[in-house]
Order: sequence, then structure tokens, then C-alpha cells
Amino acid sequence: NAGVTQTPKFQVLKTGQSMTLQCAQDMNHNSMYWYRQDPGMGLRLIYYSASEGTTDKGEVPNGYNVSRLNKREFSLRLESAAPSQTSVYFCAVGTSSYNEQFFGPGTRLTVL
Amino acid sequence: SQQGEEDPQALSIQEGENATMNCSYKTSINNLQWYRQNSGRGLVHLILIRSNEREKHSGRLRVTLDTSKKSSSLLITASRAADTASYFCATGGRYDTDKLIFGTGTRLQVFP
Repeated sequence: NAGVTQTPKFQVLKTGQSMTLQCAQDMNHNSMYWYRQDPGMGLRLIYYSASEGTTDKGEVPNGYNVSRLNKREFSLRLESAAPSQTSVYFCAVGTSSYNEQFFGPGTRLTVL
Repeated sequence: SQQGEEDPQALSIQEGENATMNCSYKTSINNLQWYRQNSGRGLVHLILIRSNEREKHSGRLRVTLDTSKKSSSLLITASRAADTASYFCATGGRYDTDKLIFGTGTRLQVFP
């Protein structure tokens, strides 16, 4: 079992370019999350999906869109990247028991 | 906005010593969780304590929760160099499906 996988691991974009971060899980849980982590800021929730077909905004959704393609996959799209979106992005899967979360390895994104 | 605030922000100790990290939060919670993050990796769930519990143990980890003071502490006994990591608390709301809110973390360095 791979758990939670993310692609790519690293990405460099120029301002204005677009890209999609992919997340997939084989844990058969309903809830999936996208976070960003910046130095000294901890984790901030961008978007989440409580179940297939539903998505909701988190704390910092501006500049992002998401798609819950099916139960396994939850993608995060940057339509027009900005330097402020330089960060490490983590996907997580939440269990039905107190929402204990399992994290992917992260995507380190740099926007020039 | 951050719910949990960890204290201290950074902690350096020698192998064999105990490490104590504290977390304070602002609103009523259903549960509080602690996660570890090794450098460059995703977060890993360590331990969960429910709001009706006061203390919980898991191996060398001891977590306490004081809901009247809205605070929790994580104690790692007999620290090892491999415990070097950042530690985050995360609070869950009244319902199991509520989003987790993460604190800003404590960076622990354990010297051999």
C-alpha cells in the first residue's frame, strides 16, 4: 500500500504559468485535504473534500481550484501562479475516527 | 487563523533528556492530536487525546490535556537523536468530521 502519493515532488514555475498538483490515496477514506506550509506559519488549509463530489474552501483558497475526480484522487490547480504561492504543498487523507490524518510526502513549488 | 500555538518554538537537548512541548488553543475542541514532521517530509500522526481524557501514553510519549486552561503538553522521555523533528499540535472540533487546525510547531533538536 502506497498510502498517500503526490506528484510532482518539485516544480519551478514562472509567474502566470499554470499547473496541477496531483494527490492519490489507496486508503479508502472519504476526506481529503490540501495544505500549504510556509516557514513559521505551520500548516494552512487551502481546500478540502469531505467525500467524492464535494469540495469546500479552507483558510487560504484564493488563487487555487480543486477537483475531486473520484474517491482516490484530489487535485489542486494553480491557474496563474504568483510568487506568493511559493510553498510546500501537502495532501492529506482523513479517517472517520476523529479525522486522524495521513499525509503525502509534499510538493515543493517555487514561483519565480 | 492558527488555533494552536506551540511553545517553545525551538528546543535543543541532549540524548537521554526529556523534551516537553506545550500547545495552547482558543476554542472548544473534541480532540487534540500531535504530529511529527521530519525535515523535508510529510507529517506523521503520533497520538490523539479526546476532550474527556486528561492523560494518554504511547511508548515514550505522554500527552496531557487541560480543557479548563485550553492547553496540552507532549512529553518525550529519554530522547534520542532520531526524535529530532518538528512537532505540531492539531485541534479537532466538536464533530469527528471537523477540520483539524494545526499550530505553528516546535522544532526539537536532540544532540547525540
